Amino acid sequence: EAGVTQFPSHSVIEKGQTVTLRCDPISGHDNLYWYRRVMGKEIKFLLHFVKESKQDESGMPNNRFLAERTGGTYSTLKVQPAELEDSGVYFCASSQVYRVGEQYFGPGTRLTVT
Amino acid sequence: GQQVMQIPQYQHVQEGEDFTTYCNSSTTLSNIQWYKQRPGGHPVFLIQLVKSGEVKKQKRLTFQFGEAKKNSSLHITATQTTDVGTYFCAETAYGGATNKLIFGTGTLLAVQP
Repeated sequence: EAGVTQFPSHSVIEKGQTVTLRCDPISGHDNLYWYRRVMGKEIKFLLHFVKESKQDESGMPNNRFLAERTGGTYSTLKVQPAELEDSGVYFCASSQVYRVGEQYFGPGTRLTVT
Repeated sequence: GQQVMQIPQYQHVQEGEDFTTYCNSSTTLSNIQWYKQRPGGHPVFLIQLVKSGEVKKQKRLTFQFGEAKKNSSLHITATQTTDVGTYFCAETAYGGATNKLIFGTGTLLAVQP
């Protein structure tokens, strides 16, 4: 079974530019989550999809962040325009509907904004 | 908001020594999950505890959930260099239609051979 995949693995952009991160969850996992870990701190929730619907986006920092999940499959997270404080590692995770605590994380995208 | 604290933040041990990390909450936890993140890696699910006073073992790892469901611990017996990484506890926050994970602050374990 293929795991959660994320692309790109690293991204270095300048302040003001746009970056789009992609996540492909495990096939059959309706739940998809985005998290972020900044500078070795705790992992913080950004948002949660069930299939194509946003269930909770309370963790999104501001309106510079836009997440989509086309057709309930892969998801994208766009940051526009990027700011220095957006740097960190962005993790995507997925889970089965009834095993929500057991989330499978992707390798993450390390975003550096200079 | 909900906050889950972990202690210690960092622990350095000699290989073969035991290690324990503690997870504490000011509110009653619905459940607790433990994840491990190797340096440069991603969080990997270890276990879930749901019942008050629950104890689960995985080889050298022992997980406990407090009687009042406000704390949890992870104990590693006879650490090995492969145990290096950050250990996070996390609560599944149920509210409306969401079930996000609220992570603790993490404990970074270093094991010296």
